[in-house]
Amino acid sequence: RKEVEQDPGPFNVPEGATVAFNCTYSNSASQSFFWYRQDCRKEPKLLMSVYSSGNEDGRFTAQLNRASQYISLLIRDSKLSDSATYLCVVNMALADSWGKLQFGAGTQVVVTP
Amino acid sequence: ETGVTQSPTHLIKTRGQQVTLRCSSQSGHNTVSWYQQALGQGPQFIFQYYREEENGRGNFPPRFSGLQFPNYSSELNVNALELDDSALYLCASRKEEGLDEQYFGPGTRLTVT
Repeated sequence: RKEVEQDPGPFNVPEGATVAFNCTYSNSASQSFFWYRQDCRKEPKLLMSVYSSGNEDGRFTAQLNRASQYISLLIRDSKLSDSATYLCVVNMALADSWGKLQFGAGTQVVVTP
Repeated sequence: ETGVTQSPTHLIKTRGQQVTLRCSSQSGHNTVSWYQQALGQGPQFIFQYYREEENGRGNFPPRFSGLQFPNYSSELNVNALELDDSALYLCASRKEEGLDEQYFGPGTRLTVT
């Protein structure tokens, strides 16, 4: 089983619509969580950290469910520029894996006019 | 831009050769991590350097090695290149040990023929 799993998509979303997707992680000791965005053949860029209480940044909302070991990302009022691959990232700050970020394979979102 | 730079941007090598990739971290960041991203996959953690010492390593063979310099820049060295080493190599920097957000450079695309 992969440590971080994501639905690869693609999620085809009409412009202006809302899209949401999840990511599950296997290690219950994971301590910090992030969503990164990656455009084709570019580097990942930090979209937002995910906090236990959930957090919102403009049209983006992230949630963490520790009991079920998943995080989610919701994008409201989708823009064409939101088309990208969204990478779920989990950090396990344990003695033998300090600072090791575990990436999912990404969820592709395609926003259509 | 993140302030993390990498060189070269593209590189073509032959199987069996050796390669050195370079990364300059963002100002004020003393921790550098290296990742390998194969096509269609999420980045895979190679190793991390903090204050010039390796501090955490992923499942990569010893022919992947690295250095960090006093100015916190870093190198990734790969010996005895194999075809499967063809990938995007990303470095990421952050401020300190722990759970802080990481910022990625643009990557070096390595092709092994």
